Amino acid sequence: QVQLQESGPGLVKPSQTLSLTCTVSGGSISSGGYYWSWIRQHPGKGLEWIGYIYYSGSTYYNPTLRSRFTISVDTSKNQFSLKLSSVTAADTAVYYCATRPSSGDTTDAFDIWGKGTMVTVSS
Amino acid sequence: SYELSQPPSVSVSPGQTATVTCSGDKLGDKYASWYQRKPGQSPVLVIYQDSKRTSGIPERFSGSNSGNTATLTISGTQAMDEADYYCQAWDSSTAVFGGGTKLTVL
Repeated sequence: QVQLQESGPGLVKPSQTLSLTCTVSGGSISSGGYYWSWIRQHPGKGLEWIGYIYYSGSTYYNPTLRSRFTISVDTSKNQFSLKLSSVTAADTAVYYCATRPSSGDTTDAFDIWGKGTMVTVSS
Repeated sequence: SYELSQPPSVSVSPGQTATVTCSGDKLGDKYASWYQRKPGQSPVLVIYQDSKRTSGIPERFSGSNSGNTATLTISGTQAMDEADYYCQAWDSSTAVFGGGTKLTVL
């Protein structure tokens, strides 16, 4: 069973770049069986999908978000990452990594989630 | 951009049926998924493809989707079902979530 674990700084200063990593265990990113996503939740708000990456490196981002996000994959470490540039207080949120299968019945749903990591943007 | 709307809160008495709705333009033409999130925990997929239960989810959870509305129904609601529930669908390759509904079991 695939498991996900986010890691990264809990506190980032405004205008800096936020970097988060999701480590995958119990399965290989290189298998091609999943799309690897980042999702965030602002305090007291709903979930917001940021984008996904496939093992090949192809990405797709939520077009409603400003293009400050970059998702990358490191198959050698079995990790995928999120970078967010020029952060502001509005980027304070819990960031989740999640995945959905690339085929099968649950391909439209995020069936595996990490525990989430709280990121606060403050000076 | 596509939007999904949910009521902010729903209350239900133990043992009764809880209904959580999710509205979006022609939502019935898309697959709807539902997630349960309890405080301090990450979301858990409850329903996918409108009405299919994820493995391990009790039979009291069911879903439907038609027209502009997807519905999550919890029959015989238990105290442990108190949580936030989020609907989700895809529109033009973009995942869209509803704002969430806080289910309170009184």
